Amino acid sequence: EDKVVQSPLSLVVHEGDTVTLNCSYEVTNFRSLLWYKQEKKAPTFLFMLTSSGIEKKSGRLSSILDKKELFSILNITATQTGDSAIYLCGFSGGSNYKLTFGKGTLLTVNP
Amino acid sequence: EADIYQTPRYLVIGTGKKITLECSQTMGHDKMYWYQQDPGMELHLIHYSYGVNSTEKGDLSSESTVSRIRTEHFPLTLESARPSHTSQYLCASSEYGHLPEKLFFGSGTQLSVL
Repeated sequence: EDKVVQSPLSLVVHEGDTVTLNCSYEVTNFRSLLWYKQEKKAPTFLFMLTSSGIEKKSGRLSSILDKKELFSILNITATQTGDSAIYLCGFSGGSNYKLTFGKGTLLTVNP
Repeated sequence: EADIYQTPRYLVIGTGKKITLECSQTMGHDKMYWYQQDPGMELHLIHYSYGVNSTEKGDLSSESTVSRIRTEHFPLTLESARPSHTSQYLCASSEYGHLPEKLFFGSGTQLSVL
């Protein structure tokens, strides 16, 4: 059965800290791995990763995929209170582009 | 900025009532989705659509039904609400092309069935 496991499930840090969020997956027909940020209600797209070893970067956020070991990490450097959110990892498999998500990591950044 | 709208934002209703959750997008996206999310749990896909007159069941069994008569509109209906239907429902859309997995989400409907 395809599944996505995220860790930790929750994390509390102070502003300025660097955090690493983990996502491991088991899928039978992998196409891509995606990261979303969920603040309040609506998740917003962060990254899509399809190739192993290539880092995607956007400001203080970066992500990398290891297709051999079946995991991805999301790094956030110099965290700010606005980074507080649930970070969702999901994969897309097959030709219909459906996404399967993990439970998410709840990140709380305290001032 | 994504233009996908869900109404109502919150709904409290009694058991046995028929309800329709509305979802509309103005981006002309062909693909639309309904996800269900309970606190601390995964987003579960319950319905999706490739375009007008196309509807498919998702990975999580749901007693709800959907329709897609117009590209921009993808309502979800529960014929007889029960307390087990209490959850958050998120609508999303995406387009065919370079990043079909890039979903644009609405703000969700929090449904409580008493």
